[in-house]
Amino acid sequence: DSGVTQTPKHLITATGQRVTLRCSPRSGDLSVYWYQQSLDQGLQFLIQYYNGEERAKGNILERFSAQQFPDLHSELNLSSLELGDSALYFCASSLGQGDFNERQFFGPGTRLTVL
Amino acid sequence: DAKTTQPNSMESNEEEPVHLPCNHSTISGTDYIHWYRQLPSQGPEYVIHGLTSNVNNRMASLAIAEDRKSSTLILHRATLRDAAVYYCILRDDNQGGKLIFGQGTELSVKP
Repeated sequence: DSGVTQTPKHLITATGQRVTLRCSPRSGDLSVYWYQQSLDQGLQFLIQYYNGEERAKGNILERFSAQQFPDLHSELNLSSLELGDSALYFCASSLGQGDFNERQFFGPGTRLTVL
Repeated sequence: DAKTTQPNSMESNEEEPVHLPCNHSTISGTDYIHWYRQLPSQGPEYVIHGLTSNVNNRMASLAIAEDRKSSTLILHRATLRDAAVYYCILRDDNQGGKLIFGQGTELSVKP
């Protein structure tokens, strides 16, 4: 158990809909990261928040947005869903800003299926 | 971003050592070498990291070539639970914390 929790575990929805994925980092960790894992693209970094502020951005679609709240939990919002958004979404956390010497702890993931 | 090259798959026998190679010929002086693994149906898990010297922890050892253009993750006695995809990742402080995962090496362990 990494100490990172993600809800829900599974989500099935239809194209065009909007969903929210939730992540609670390990106690004391200030950074939260979101990754997407699909069969064709592998594991891809989406976005990082550090202490409530956006710190780094990857290839995150404009239809996707995220935020980190004062209690440090984070939400990833996916809207206008398409079939290709079906994937595993992982949240990770780390103690600091994510410098090159820092390790990340991953949650169990949310499996999103878009029908 | 500096790239890494790993074999797609490797096989090992249980209780034998496993050496997982990684090539990173374009590594820069400030890049740390990180290894993560992903067990089936789980999120990635940190294994080990290093800069120049060899490193050991309770999970594995990391051997880094003198020119730093390659490294090897060593599992001293593979168990069935070590069957996973192993990712070698270069980290520098320009990346803002993101991990760039390649295809990794899928390790299978035979009893």
